Amino acid sequence: EAGVAQSPRYKIIEKRQSVAFWCNPISGHATLYWYQQILGQGPKLLIQFQNNGVVDDSQLPKDRFSAERLKGVDSTLKIQPAKLEDSAVYLCASSFTGTAGANVLTFGAGSRLTVL
Amino acid sequence: AQSVTQPDIHITVSEGASLELRCNYSYGATPYLFWYVQSPGQGLQLLLKYFSGDTLVQGIKGFEAEFKRSQSSFNLRKPSVHWSDAAEYFCAATSGTYKYIFGTGTRLKVLA
Repeated sequence: EAGVAQSPRYKIIEKRQSVAFWCNPISGHATLYWYQQILGQGPKLLIQFQNNGVVDDSQLPKDRFSAERLKGVDSTLKIQPAKLEDSAVYLCASSFTGTAGANVLTFGAGSRLTVL
Repeated sequence: AQSVTQPDIHITVSEGASLELRCNYSYGATPYLFWYVQSPGQGLQLLLKYFSGDTLVQGIKGFEAEFKRSQSSFNLRKPSVHWSDAAEYFCAATSGTYKYIFGTGTRLKVLA
């Protein structure tokens, strides 16, 4: 089966500019996650979708980050305006269901953001 | 608070030597436990998982992990390391809700 697709793989922007990342999960996976991975740290959950509804966005900096999952398939994560501390790899993951015992996360290759 | 701790930031081993990467968790009840590997420029790939049952679980690429409830640990092992195992390894846990907590990772270097 095809994996989780993400684009772009790399993006360099100036602070205060905007950026958008796209994710296409594995076909049939209802749950989609966006993680932020800062260099030297483990992934941190930003937002989780179940189909096209938000399950958890408690760690999403909502003043600058937004995400949507239209039609319960693809998802877009946007940052506007970007700050230096947003430099990180943004990982998208998907799973078949939202219950941990029944599934595992499958990750995309990530989108590396550098903010200058 | 729930947490996952990987005490070793970096580990260096010689090719052919054995490997053990440590992971400790702090949860109210036994969580579901995972080990993922991340090669440079790549996403995370699942190595193995523990849900219940046999405390020694086998994974891909010759890795295994042992769950020890008394020590709140889930250490990853490999009897003989290959140069291609050089990567970053993450331990993760979830309590059965959707929220996964990842450790900070252990970077493995393999000497030829």
